[in-house]
Amino acid sequence: AQKITQTQPGMFVQEKEAVTLDCTYDTSDQSYGLFWYKQPSSGEMIFLIYQGSYDEQNATEGRYSLNFQKARKSANLVISASQLGDSAMYFCAMRGGSVDSSYKLIFGSGTRLLVRP
Amino acid sequence: GAVVSQHPSWVICKSGTSVKIECRSLDFQATTMFWYRQFPKQSLMLMATSNEGSKATYEQGVEKDKFLINHASLTLSTLTVTSAHPEDSSFYICSAPRRQPGQLYEQYFGPGTRLTVT
Repeated sequence: AQKITQTQPGMFVQEKEAVTLDCTYDTSDQSYGLFWYKQPSSGEMIFLIYQGSYDEQNATEGRYSLNFQKARKSANLVISASQLGDSAMYFCAMRGGSVDSSYKLIFGSGTRLLVRP
Repeated sequence: GAVVSQHPSWVICKSGTSVKIECRSLDFQATTMFWYRQFPKQSLMLMATSNEGSKATYEQGVEKDKFLINHASLTLSTLTVTSAHPEDSSFYICSAPRRQPGQLYEQYFGPGTRLTVT
């Protein structure tokens, strides 16, 4: 069974500083994908970044980077130069690579990030 | 712009009635769509996988007779909450995978439907 764990229910960060949101996962699939989504108070799910299990380099997308440590089964999100608009819920998610997974996403419990001015 | 839409965005219904929520892929065909439920301050929980032309696959613990899913076309899936109760009040979100270059499937999420059962 696949499982995603986010151990930080809430995080504070000062504006313009960097913050790391933790995510660990468990899967028996050899091929899988890891995602981070941002959910503001409006409820929409905003895709941030993706890391494939066979990708050798850590994914980066603008101010977002993913610290992928396969042996530790962790996929932490790093947000650099935090902005007030980054205040939101952040979800880590995993998609299995097996046929049975049918591309569905399993989500972690989320981390609420609050950026202080 | 949005590639997956949901209708309605919010709905209030009385206990015992049924409510239908639509999920549409706007400019691509989706043979598979997913329905999630999110309670306040909680994560998204996968309810079921909607398959075009065949029966939906429900996750463990989800009552298939209560949450009816119909995927009648390649761009439309519907979720009907039958005999709604106040505990069914939640945020319902659908998603659809869309193939990107390089065989990667990216998930596109709808904006969600907030259901309140009184």
